Amino acid sequence: GAGVSQSPSNKVTEKGKDVELRCDPISGHTALYWYRQRLGQGLEFLIYFQGNSAPDKSGLPSDRFSAERTGESVSTLTIQRTQQEDSAVYLCASSLVPAGLTDTQYFGPGTRLTVL
Amino acid sequence: GQNIDQPTEMTATEGAIVQINCTYQTSGFNGLFWYQQHAGEAPTFLSYNVLDGLEEKGRFSSFLSRSKGYSYLLLKELQMKDSASYLCAVRDPVDSSYKLIFGSGTRLLVRP
Repeated sequence: GAGVSQSPSNKVTEKGKDVELRCDPISGHTALYWYRQRLGQGLEFLIYFQGNSAPDKSGLPSDRFSAERTGESVSTLTIQRTQQEDSAVYLCASSLVPAGLTDTQYFGPGTRLTVL
Repeated sequence: GQNIDQPTEMTATEGAIVQINCTYQTSGFNGLFWYQQHAGEAPTFLSYNVLDGLEEKGRFSSFLSRSKGYSYLLLKELQMKDSASYLCAVRDPVDSSYKLIFGSGTRLLVRP
């Protein structure tokens, strides 16, 4: 019963480079969420997947951000032409079903992104 | 707009009781969650309230009043390991995503 895993745990990149962050949800969880947490702040919602489709992308801050999910499993968050303000911890969460009354989101350990 | 407020920091003594408050104003409501987050680690689920009242789970209890847009997390018999950030989050059913809207978190320091 592995939990949500994310890789890499830390990523340092130069401004202008592209980065890819990976999330492996708990097996069998159909819903997957990406959040961003800036230093000392709460989590900001980025995008939600139900299966392989993304019905809610409302939290993506700009068109430099994109995400995909394949096989109703692994998801990748891509940030193109990174900027210093993208520096944050990117957290992935999964849940068994998205709309269950007591459904709980389980979080991975996050990827700490630093843009120099 | 969406707004969730919690105190930034709190300090308490080992063995004591502490109450962390959370007030919210959101466009939709489908439950309120409390998560614990130790520095550098993932948030871990503590409690969930969708109906008014108190939910008790061991040393942790959570209360909800939907009419007041208010919740609190009560931690009893504090231990040093309870030093962490406590995140209040409201589940928003708008757009059918059931995403969580988070407060900024309350950093709790437990002193001997």
